[in-house]
Amino acid sequence: SAVISQKPSRDICQRGTSLTIQCQVDSQVTMMFWYRQQPGQSLTLIATANQGSEATYESGFVIDKFPISRPNLTFSTLTVSNMSPEDSSIYLCSVRGQGATEAFFGQGTRLTVV
Amino acid sequence: EDKVVQSPLSLVVHEGDTVTLNCSYEVTNFRSLLWYKQEKKAPTFLFMLTSSGIEKKSGRLSSILDKKELSSILNITATQTGDSAIYLCAAHPGGNTPLVFGKGTRLSVIA
Repeated sequence: SAVISQKPSRDICQRGTSLTIQCQVDSQVTMMFWYRQQPGQSLTLIATANQGSEATYESGFVIDKFPISRPNLTFSTLTVSNMSPEDSSIYLCSVRGQGATEAFFGQGTRLTVV
Repeated sequence: EDKVVQSPLSLVVHEGDTVTLNCSYEVTNFRSLLWYKQEKKAPTFLFMLTSSGIEKKSGRLSSILDKKELSSILNITATQTGDSAIYLCAAHPGGNTPLVFGKGTRLSVIA
């Protein structure tokens, strides 16, 4: 399985500011995804990060709020923009290799917006 | 719309008990069913099931898939407090598509 480094591990941010979360993988992976997990809830897919092109967003998530970059096959960032307390969640990056089914997760980022 | 439903949503048991967690799925082009354990932030991979009726086992945990019933179960025998976690079930619709996750079962094992 790939080794995934996600940072920051946690942060407390002021409302109206933005936070960029990084996800670094130790090998090239085909698929990278970003999830959000609000308190007491399950995982909600935000978007699929596409290498070299715009991310594919799920219903209810927009690029202006959650811009995503994926400049190569081992790295992606998710920015949470103009944060409000409702954005307080755990954010997770997930990766899957070519032809693989099982997905692996980064350590997660616990974001608190005050 | 693809969906995965888990039951129960939460469960409290005593150490030593055996538990069975349920997962049902409705997914087009179903390819496989996965189980994860989430203790703090990051879900950790437990099992991937692709064939019906073949049990996968790891220590006290085991899981089996029933493609006819579109369901899977995760069994944990002789539970320990360290088994306390959220157990997530996910289905893979095939191809380069994201996994579809259920809401999870929150298991609490008390001494």
